[in-house]
Amino acid sequence: QVQLVESGGGVGQPGRSLRLSCAASGFSFRRYGMHWVRQAPGKGLEWVAVISEDGRNKYYADSVKGRFTISRDNSKNTLYLEMISLRAEDTAVYYCAKDRVAADISSFSYYYYGMDVWGQGATVSVSS
Amino acid sequence: DIQMTQSPSSLSASVGDRVTITCQASQDISNFLNWYQKKPGKAPKLLIYTASNLETGVPSRFSGSGSATDFTFTISSLQPEDIATYYCQQYDNLPFTFGPGTKVDIK
Repeated sequence: QVQLVESGGGVGQPGRSLRLSCAASGFSFRRYGMHWVRQAPGKGLEWVAVISEDGRNKYYADSVKGRFTISRDNSKNTLYLEMISLRAEDTAVYYCAKDRVAADISSFSYYYYGMDVWGQGATVSVSS
Repeated sequence: DIQMTQSPSSLSASVGDRVTITCQASQDISNFLNWYQKKPGKAPKLLIYTASNLETGVPSRFSGSGSATDFTFTISSLQPEDIATYYCQQYDNLPFTFGPGTKVDIK
C-alpha cells in the first residue's frame, strides 16, 4: 500500500541542525511532487516546502526560507528536510506528504495540487 | 500570500446533525481548494479536493462546494468518529496556505 514513513526527529538546541527523512513505498515516487507540512503544539497546519518530482523546483514558506532545504533521492525513494539554525518556533510535528497528482512530463511548468497521502509525523523539539 | 479564513473556529453539534463550515480566500482561487480532517495524534486526511470532489474511500456524508473566494464544507449527518479539526487549504498559488481550522465536537 502507499506509505510514507518519517524519521530523524528529536530534540535540538536553538541554532543547531536536524535532518528529517521520509521513506516512500507503494507508488512511483519519481512521478510525484512531495511536501513537508508541520503542526506546532496547539496550533494549526502550516505548509513548509515542496519539491518537484525531478528535484529541480523547490519552494519554501517564508518562515523557513534560507534555513530549511528540501531534497530528494529518487533512487532511494526518499525525501529529506535539512533544518539549520533551528528556532524554538520550529518545534512541531513534521509530516511529509505526497502531491495528489502525478507530474505531467510533457509540461514545461511545475504544478502542485495538494497532499493526498501523509506520513505519521516526526516530532522536532527545539529547546535549550 | 493568499490568506484563508474559516468560520466558525469551533462548534458543537449532536449526532445526526448537519454541520457546515465556511472558508474564505483573500483572492479568487477558482476551485483550487482542498479540505482535510485532522485528529489528535493522527496524520491529516484529505477529504475533498478541488472544492467539491470526494476523495476515494471518504464517506458520502462529507461534501464541499464553492468557487472563487467562498467555499463550504458540509457533514450531512454528524457521526461520533467525525470529531476532529477541519482545515481548508488553497493550492492556487505557492505558498500553499491553510485556514486556521474548525474544531468539531459532539454536544
